[in-house]
Amino acid sequence: QVHLQESGPGLVKPSQTLSLTCTVSGGSISSDTYYWSWIRQHPGKALEWIGNIFYSGGAYYNPSILSLKSRVTISLDTSKNQFSLKLSSVTAADTAVYFCAREAGGSYPDYWGQGTLVTVSS
Amino acid sequence: EVVLTQSPDFQSVTPKEKVTITCRASQSIGSSLHWYQQKPDQSPKLLIKYASQSFSGVPSRFSGSGSGTDFTLTINSLEAEDAATYYCHQSSSLPRTFGQGTKVEIK
Repeated sequence: QVHLQESGPGLVKPSQTLSLTCTVSGGSISSDTYYWSWIRQHPGKALEWIGNIFYSGGAYYNPSILSLKSRVTISLDTSKNQFSLKLSSVTAADTAVYFCAREAGGSYPDYWGQGTLVTVSS
Repeated sequence: EVVLTQSPDFQSVTPKEKVTITCRASQSIGSSLHWYQQKPDQSPKLLIKYASQSFSGVPSRFSGSGSGTDFTLTINSLEAEDAATYYCHQSSSLPRTFGQGTKVEIK
């Protein structure tokens, strides 16, 4: 069974770059069956879909999250079976639990990581 | 983007009672609607895919129905372990979106 695990700093200073990695085990991120996504959840709030990436490297970012515009990058490292999220120029509004997930056929997330809380604070 | 609106926002239910949660889409999304259960401090778990298909390992008391713009998640005979927040999610168009969530509390 596929397993996803987020890793990265739990505390990031304002204006710095948030960097998270999702390590996938039990399956290859090079599969043409799945997309790989990042989703976040502000404390006590609903889920917010950030974007996804396909094995070919093509990524899509949610344009409706205006606060993320031009700050987000999702990438793959097939040699390590990992994918990553980078969010630059963070503010307190980026404080959230960040989840990585596998999307079946680029459709619904079927398996999720446990999530990692990232706090933006000086 | 497709806006998903769930109702109710909160429901307090007695064990063995039936629970119905609805999700309305701002435009037709066919059957590309999926349901998740999230317990406190856990990641969401997929319950129902494509409106009515149960995901592997999900108890049979969970079922889904609907198409187009109106969808329903039903929990038959609620159990204490079903206390959670439930989210709908659409994959009909980009960007993907989630409903605001429905919190189910056990009386």
